[in-house]
Amino acid sequence: EVQLVESGGGLVQPGGSLRLSCAASGFTFSSYWMHWVRQAPGKGLVWVSRIDSDGSRTSYADFVKGRFTISRDNAKNTLFLQMNSLRAEDTAMYYCVRVPYYSDRSAYGYSFYYYMDVWGRGTTVTVSS
Amino acid sequence: DIQMTQSPSSLSASLGDRVTITCRASQNINNYLNWYQQKPGKAPDLLIYAASRLQSGVPSRFSGSGSGTDFTLTISSLQREDFATYYCQQSYSALTFGGGTKVEIK
Repeated sequence: EVQLVESGGGLVQPGGSLRLSCAASGFTFSSYWMHWVRQAPGKGLVWVSRIDSDGSRTSYADFVKGRFTISRDNAKNTLFLQMNSLRAEDTAMYYCVRVPYYSDRSAYGYSFYYYMDVWGRGTTVTVSS
Repeated sequence: DIQMTQSPSSLSASLGDRVTITCRASQNINNYLNWYQQKPGKAPDLLIYAASRLQSGVPSRFSGSGSGTDFTLTISSLQREDFATYYCQQSYSALTFGGGTKVEIK
């Protein structure tokens, strides 16, 4: 069974740090780009960060840039999110997500359509004093 | 950044109704558009990718259409298990979500 299981969430004071982990199973983890998406209580989905399949390229939403670091250990099938300088507005459920792509050939060449097909159950991060 | 606007933000419908949700992009995104369903307390599930391609295992009453800036998700005959919140997401440039549409029971 394809599965993603997040851990590492909890209650932390403003300015503190947390390290989230996401254990992958049931698929070839090293073949996929992986992302983190968050959802504040009662709010919508927000993309946070992504990492390519071998960990060489990363990208971040502006509101976490310089504070969060995404990484992965393909030997251990695990994705990480190091979260520093946490703020109250970082309070949210954090989801680990697998992102494959569908490729389509047209007269203009190949197009690559990325989508989020496997989600973990999430881990809750609460930033409060 | 590309902004995604969904409408309506919520709707009430009855079992068997045909339901249409709209998503508009702030610029042309061709057909780089995905749809997700989220039930309370659960992670989202992928319904549609590349604007109109049905994810494996998703019932055929769900369909997606559109290209450019305007897209729709249609549920042809609303079932009890379809009451949920639906999100669009563009993948043309990074991955940004719409604000969501909550489908409630009338």
